[in-house]
Parts: sequence; C-alpha cells; structure tokens
Amino acid sequence: QKEVEQDPGPLSVPEGAIVSLNCTYSNSAFQYFMWYRQYSRKGPELLMYTYSSGNKEDGRFTAQVDKSSKYISLFIRDSQPSDSATYLCAMMDTGRRALTFGSGTRLQVQP
Amino acid sequence: DTEVTQTPKHLVMGMTNKKSLKCEQHMGHRAMYWYKQKAKKPPELMFVYSYEKLSINESVPSRFSPECPNSSLLNLHLHALQPEDSALYLCASSQETGYTEAFFGQGTRLTVV
Repeated sequence: QKEVEQDPGPLSVPEGAIVSLNCTYSNSAFQYFMWYRQYSRKGPELLMYTYSSGNKEDGRFTAQVDKSSKYISLFIRDSQPSDSATYLCAMMDTGRRALTFGSGTRLQVQP
Repeated sequence: DTEVTQTPKHLVMGMTNKKSLKCEQHMGHRAMYWYKQKAKKPPELMFVYSYEKLSINESVPSRFSPECPNSSLLNLHLHALQPEDSALYLCASSQETGYTEAFFGQGTRLTVV
C-alpha cells in the first residue's frame, strides 16, 4: 500500500464548476499537508499548505484536512481553463522532514 | 523573489558522458533538494542538503553525485547514466528541512541516449 493515494484522473469539468480533489494517506506521522499545481513540463508550484486538521481558504481555493479519516481535499471554485494542470498532494512528517507526494490528479477544465 | 533557477532546461547525453545539473536560489534557504520525476508520476526524493551538508540520500545509485558548494548552489553530477535515468530532474529549496513551503525550479529534462 502506498503511503499517499490519489486518483490519477483525468478529471474533466466545464468552466465555472466546483472541483474537488482528494488524497488519502496511511502514515499517522504526517502533520503538514500541501497542494501543488504542475503544468505540463514545468516544476510544481505550491498552492496551499495546512497544518493538522481544519480548513484553509485562499481566493478560489480551499484546502481541508481530516486527520481522523486520514483524508485531505482541495476545492477549486469557479474553475477556469487556466486551472487545467496536474494537482499533487504532498505531506510531511516532522521526523523525516521531507515531502511524500501523491501520484497527482490531472484536471481538465473545458471552456 | 521566490525563484529557484535550474540549468540547463534540456540535456541530452550519451551513456559514457559526464555532465552536471545546476540549481541556484537566493532566498536564503538552508535546505535544498533534488527530485526525479518520470512522466505521469510524482516527484521522487533523491537527496536533501541541510546547511550545505547531505542529510538524506534515498539510496540513489552512485552514478548520481550531489554537491552543495555553498548555501545558494546545488549541483548534481552525472556519469555513466542509463536510458532509464531519462526524466525531469527538479531542484527545490525551503527555509530549513521540515518547512512546508518548498519552492521548486522548472526542472532539467534529461534524455540519456
């Protein structure tokens, strides 16, 4: 079993839709949770990070963490074609001090 | 400035060549990382440097040799690579290891022929 599981997609939605991206994990030591966006042939770009359980909002993006269920989500409101990319969840345990990535979900927003 | 700069952007090398990838950041970060990313796969951690000392080596073959000459620079020396080493090599930095805000460069796309 992988430490971090993420549906690879592709996920195709119409412009303006609300997008929900999710990851599950098995390592209870993970304390920090991040979402990266990666456009084709580019490096990952940090979108959001959260510590432990709870919600965090930044513009059209909301990150949720439920540590009791070992489940994290990223919501994108009013999705735009420019949001089309691969979204990677990443997690860090304070012991190892390095990121563990999910496999990424490819999102396509159709105009 | 949250930029991590990697050179070259593209590299084609033969299996007998020796080449180096370079990474530079001027954010004052003391942790720097090398990741390898194959197509449609997530980045895989290779090496971590903390305060210019190697702190994590994820059992990477010796044909990959990292070097951190100073706090702003990170190199990855390559020799005797195999075609299966073709991938996107990503450099990242963060204020210290364990910091959540890790910034990635655009990567070097390496092709081994």
